Formats: sequence, structure tokens, C-alpha cells
Amino acid sequence: AQSVAQPEDQVNVAEGNPLTVKCTYSVSGNPYLFWYVQYPNRGLQFLLKYITGDNLVKGSYGFEAEFNKSQTSFHLKKPSALVSDSALYFCAVRDVRSNYQLIWGAGTKLIIKP
Amino acid sequence: EPEVTQTPSHQVTQMGQEVILRCVPISNHLYFYWYRQILGQKVEFLVSFYNNEISEKSEIFDDQFSVERPDGSNFTLKIRSTKLEDSAMYFCASSEDAATRQYFGPGTRLTVT
Repeated sequence: AQSVAQPEDQVNVAEGNPLTVKCTYSVSGNPYLFWYVQYPNRGLQFLLKYITGDNLVKGSYGFEAEFNKSQTSFHLKKPSALVSDSALYFCAVRDVRSNYQLIWGAGTKLIIKP
Repeated sequence: EPEVTQTPSHQVTQMGQEVILRCVPISNHLYFYWYRQILGQKVEFLVSFYNNEISEKSEIFDDQFSVERPDGSNFTLKIRSTKLEDSAMYFCASSEDAATRQYFGPGTRLTVT
């Protein structure tokens, strides 16, 4: 069965420090992987995606994510956190061989403290 | 950047009533989706739609739900007889094809009383 795990409900980081939001996945075929961000009372905004190619993917707002096939992970990273990065982050996956739906992680609340 | 729009932003309805949530996908997109997010919980897939028919649906998408593309621009989700547990944020999304990113609308908050 396809699934996505975000093991941390909340991540706290001091402003200026690097941040990592973890995501692991399970699909039967090759994955399409996505990160979305949700600000309070707002919709889901696309950050970045991995389809194929370079394992390090760069996205919006200075975020990047590294696809690791052996560890089935797709962790979201940023070298220097901003207070404005505080939001809810969702990892999502789709099996490239089937299905159109995105399977979502439970979300990780990122809190950046000044 | 192109946008998906949704109306209304907030809908309050009584249990048992029918509601229609409306979405205008991005104009050249061919794949359309509905997701929902119950407050404090994860985003859940409801249905995908392509070529004027449902291509995939989840267990949540039972007979109470239906989708329609009544014209060239709108994509609607109908809930025939709302239940309290249908209260959630409903997101519409669209994509150019099955492989590309999905663009999400701002959501409609449905409150069933």
C-alpha cells in the first residue's frame, strides 16, 4: 500500500539555523514526490517536486529536498530558517505507474523562533 | 502564476441539505481533483476527473458525493445530504497531465450544523 510518513508533528528551529522536515514514503513503483506548505487559513502551496533526475531538488522560498531511494526518504531542507517559514508542511507521493491521487503525510508544523 | 479559484470560501449548511462546491481550474489543465482536510487532520484524496469522467475515487467518495464539469470552466463537487462529519476544508486542484504538479485552490470551508 502507498503511504507517506512525516514522523515529527512539530519541528522547532531558531531563526537563521538550518531546518529539516522529514518525510519517508512507500510506493510499489517509482515515486513522484511533492512538498506543499499551508499557511494559517490558506490553501496548499506547492514548494517543489521530484519526478526524475538530480536527487537534490530546489524549490520555492529557498527550500530544497533530497530524494534518497535507498532510504525511501524525501526530506525538506533550508540552510537558514526565517520566522516567515513558520507553517504546516505536507509531503505527498504518487505512484508513477498508477493512480492520479496524491497520498499525503499527516503534516509537520514548523515553528521558527526569532 | 496561474490560479485555481473556489467559491464560496465558507459555506454553512444544515445536516441533510445538499451543497455544491465550485471550482474554476486553470484553463489549459485537463486533470481535476477534489481533496478534503478535516480540521487538524491530514489532507485526504476524494476524486480525480479526466476526460469528463471520474478516473479514480477514494473510499470516502461514496454515493453522497458527485462531481461534474457542467461547462468548459467549472468543476463542481456536490454532497447530496450533508452529515456533520462532512465538515472540513475542501480543496480543488488541477494539473496539465497526470505527472505534473497539482495546483490547489484556496479551499472552501464547509460547516455542517
